[in-house]
Order: sequence, then structure tokens, then C-alpha cells
Amino acid sequence: ETGVTQSPTHLIKTRGQQVTLRCSSQSGHNTVSWYQQALGQGPQFIFQYYREEENGRGNFPPRFSGLQFPNYSSELNVNALELDDSALYLCASSWGVQINTEAFFGQGTRLTVV
Amino acid sequence: TQLLEQSPQFLSIQEGENLTVYCNSSSVFSSLQWYRQEPGEGPVLLVTVVTGGEVKKLKRLTFQFGDARKDSSLHITAAQPGDTGLYLCAGAQGGGNQFYFGTGTSLTVIP
Repeated sequence: ETGVTQSPTHLIKTRGQQVTLRCSSQSGHNTVSWYQQALGQGPQFIFQYYREEENGRGNFPPRFSGLQFPNYSSELNVNALELDDSALYLCASSWGVQINTEAFFGQGTRLTVV
Repeated sequence: TQLLEQSPQFLSIQEGENLTVYCNSSSVFSSLQWYRQEPGEGPVLLVTVVTGGEVKKLKRLTFQFGDARKDSSLHITAAQPGDTGLYLCAGAQGGGNQFYFGTGTSLTVIP
């Protein structure tokens, strides 16, 4: 186990709804990155939070937003859900954002949009 | 859109065989990582390479970073059923650890 926990593990939502996914980072880690992994594909970078500030964003629309709390846990919010948002959402925590910093992944949240 | 293309996409081999997985891009990366992911789990880091031409060995796994830092390969010697999983390469650009993942290679090792 990596010490990174995500909740919930599975979720079913209806198109147009909003969803919040949660990630508790490994103890001592101050950075959380979020990824979307569609079935049969590699993860795609959504955004990264470092010390409560957004520190980079991938090619995702503004309806994907996030937050990092003082204890470095994080939330991913998705508004106006679309069918294509169905995927495994992964968070990864690390100590810092330097090039050689290892990131530890949680088990993910499987989101299904119907 | 994935910056990194992996080949093959699927690979099914007998226990004891050797295999190589390729990770290619037209972009330069400051570092490249290889992960293995099992069903229902998040990816687990296997190795990080940062220097062009670098070769790292991890037991039966050999990782190489291309001289131009645009490509990488993973070679497994004498594959075992425990090697079964999805292998992902991931590259970082600039000095950070925001990674662009490859398309993945699904490996099945048959006993």
C-alpha cells in the first residue's frame, strides 16, 4: 500500500450532475496530482496542487476544478458531467515537485456517467 | 492526446520468454519513468531515468533511455506470470514531476 487513499472507490452519476472526488495524500507529502485514465488507455494529467496552490494543468476544460487543503488532502470537482468523463480517476502524492521526486498513486475512483 | 506511444499495445507470451516494450515520442523529456499497473490498482513506479543513454537494471528488467531523451525501452528477461500487468511509460518536461503517460502495454505471461 502507498498510503494514498481515495474515496469513494466507485461512483455512478447521471449526465449533467456534479461530482467530488477525494484524495488523502501520504503522510508528509505536500503535492497532489490528479489523472484521468479512460478504459484501455494511459492516465492523462489533469492538474497538480503544491502547498494549496495549482501548479500546472493539463488539457482539461474548466469544469474540472480542484482544491488542496492545509493538511494537503485534495478534492477533484467535475461539473456538468458528460458520458466521456467515465474513467478511473487517480491521484498521486509526492514530497515536492522536483524532477526526481517519486509520486505514489492511490487505487483510484471508478466514475461511471450514465 | 498522448505524447508517448507504446508498442506493442498487447503482448501474450509463455513463461521464460524474453520481451521488449517500446516507448516513443517526438518530444524531448527531462525524465522518464516506467510503471506497472494491476487491475483495480494505481500505477506503481518501477524506475526513473534522467540521462540520455542511461541504462538501469532491476533484477530481470532492463530500462534504457534514448540518447536524445525522446524514447525508452523496457526489456524483461525470462518473463514470469507475476510480470503480468499493464506497463506504462511516463515522461516529464521541464524540471517538475507532472507526467505525460504513454498508451500502455498490456502484458500477459502464460505459465
